[in-house]
This record gives sequence, C-alpha cells and structure tokens, in this order.
Amino acid sequence: QVQLQESGPGLVKPSQTLSLTCAISGDSVSSNSAAWNWIRQSPSRGLEWLGRTYYRSKWYNEYDYAVSVKSRLTITPDTSKNQLSLQLNSVTPEDTAIYYCARAPGYGDYGMDVWGQGTTVSVSS
Amino acid sequence: DIQMTQSQSSLSASVGDRVTITCRASQSIRNHLSWYQQKPGKAPKFLIYAASTLQSGVPSRFSGSGYGTEFTLTITSLQPDDFATYFCQQSYSPPWTFGQGTKVEIK
Repeated sequence: QVQLQESGPGLVKPSQTLSLTCAISGDSVSSNSAAWNWIRQSPSRGLEWLGRTYYRSKWYNEYDYAVSVKSRLTITPDTSKNQLSLQLNSVTPEDTAIYYCARAPGYGDYGMDVWGQGTTVSVSS
Repeated sequence: DIQMTQSQSSLSASVGDRVTITCRASQSIRNHLSWYQQKPGKAPKFLIYAASTLQSGVPSRFSGSGYGTEFTLTITSLQPDDFATYFCQQSYSPPWTFGQGTKVEIK
C-alpha cells in the first residue's frame, strides 16, 4: 500500500524559504511508472498543482508552470531517502496553504491516485 | 492554462437522491478528466479517471461521463458518507488544473 507523508515547518516568515519533504512508502520515487507531484490548497486559490518530478532513464523536474510560484519553486527527488522535496523561495502570505504531495500513475495524464494527508504552512511575521 | 469550471458551488440533496455535478473545460481535454472527493480536514480522494473509469474500491453508485469539454459526475442514491466537496481536474495539458469544487450538502 502506497503511503505519502508530508512534513515541514508549519510557520515561515515572509521573504524566507519554505522547505517541505514528502516521504514515500510502498513505492519508489525512482519508479519508471509514476510521477510525483506537489499540490497546494488555499481558500483564495483553491487546489493548485505546483509541479512534478519523474524518472524515465533520467530525471524530469517540471515546476515552471504556475505563475504564482514561477522562478521561486524547486521540486527535486531524494533517492537516498525515497522522498520528494519542495523548496519555495521568497515566500509571502499568499503562499499560506495546505501543501499535498501526490502520486500519479504514468506521467499523470490520468489523475493522481494517492495523496498525503497534507501539511499546513502559514506565512506570517 | 486550461480553465475548469464547476457551475454549481454547492447543492443540497437528501439521502437517496440522484445527484449530478457538472464540469466544463475551456478547451477540449479529450477524456483526461478526473474526479476527487474531499471531506473537511482531509486530502482529496481519487474517485474517477479517464472521465468514466471508477478507481478501485470506489462504490458503484459513483459514475462519470463526458468527453471533450463537458463532463458529469453522478451519484445514484446519495449516502450519508457522500456529503463532501467534489472537484474535477484536467490532466490533458500541464499545468494540471482543478475546478473550484461543488459542495454537496444535506437538504
């Protein structure tokens, strides 16, 4: 049974860097048949897909889509710990949200089937 | 980006009712449409993918249909456990995008 567990600081000050991890059990971040995603949810933005990483003979890290996090976001795999990481620079209160990691079979073109329970992040001084 | 619109932000229904939730895409997404159920304080739960394929373990009272830009999620005979918020999500072209959700409330 695949399980995902997000962890992070909970509270971050404006302009600082947010770092989150997603521990994966029951599957591998290096799987050739899955993509690993970060999504966040807030009352103002709803559910917002941030990006993904996946391995197909080499690593593909795709996180340059969302305008709200463009140039501030990095998503990387950590194969030694079998986990997924998110780093968001120069945070503002608009980055306050629940952050989820999720697995997508294949490349994710048919949805995300397993989600972590989410970690709440507040950006405040 | 592809915009996903759920026209009903909420609806009221009774146990045993048939409920239909609609989702519209701003351009054709073929059948790359998924549905999720979310309860307060919980992560979204994967219900349906490829517009109409039920995820393993999901009760058969849930069904999905549609292709292109118009999609529906139907719950036949609504059960107490089904009162929740439902989201659609397209995965035809990144960035994947979600509808704003439809909350199914008790009448």
